[in-house]
Amino acid sequence: ETGVTQTPRHLVMGMTNKKSLKCEQHLGHNAMYWYKQSAKKPLELMFVYSLEERVENNSVPSRFSPECPNSSHLFLHLHTLQPEDSALYLCASSQGWRVVPYEQYFGPGTRLTVT
Amino acid sequence: AQTVTQSQPEMSVQEAETVTLSCTYDTSESDYYLFWYKQPPSRQMILVIRQEAYKQQNATENRFSVNFQKAAKSFSLKISDSQLGDAAMYFCAYNDMRFGAGTRLTVKP
Repeated sequence: ETGVTQTPRHLVMGMTNKKSLKCEQHLGHNAMYWYKQSAKKPLELMFVYSLEERVENNSVPSRFSPECPNSSHLFLHLHTLQPEDSALYLCASSQGWRVVPYEQYFGPGTRLTVT
Repeated sequence: AQTVTQSQPEMSVQEAETVTLSCTYDTSESDYYLFWYKQPPSRQMILVIRQEAYKQQNATENRFSVNFQKAAKSFSLKISDSQLGDAAMYFCAYNDMRFGAGTRLTVKP
């Protein structure tokens, strides 16, 4: 185990539903990340939170909304998703971000299916 | 923008043999870090090896080593004495933001 947990592990939702993904890290890290992993595509960085700074990939649709209430918890709120949003969503954490590219610790991911 | 390209979607190696996974990247920066991550089936992604661009010496971690060619912007991973447990998706990453599409490695007994 890497010290990063994600719930739920699997999620099936309709296009009109609202759901949230949760990530928790027990490593004392200062940065947390959301990635989207689709088959045969590069891992896509969606959002970064680091010491109250938030950075987002401008290509991520607004139907994905992140929330980081503290340095240990990260959420991804989902609403009115599309079938193409079906993917594995990975959470990661690291000691810091951008100053020095630190090793990232990944969670097991949430397999999301949008029907 | 920095892009990372892994040109081998799938690779296969016989147990105990050596295999090399390719990665190229595009950047205008002179100082950066490169990583190889391993994602076993249904398991969490973990770091395999890390290389700092200003270091000319290639990084090595037990059976894993890299061939870092800064001028060519190439960063390949060599796995020696392959084991069944090496079967996984391998991702090359530039700094902590850019990942390639991955290479699926199969190890044949």
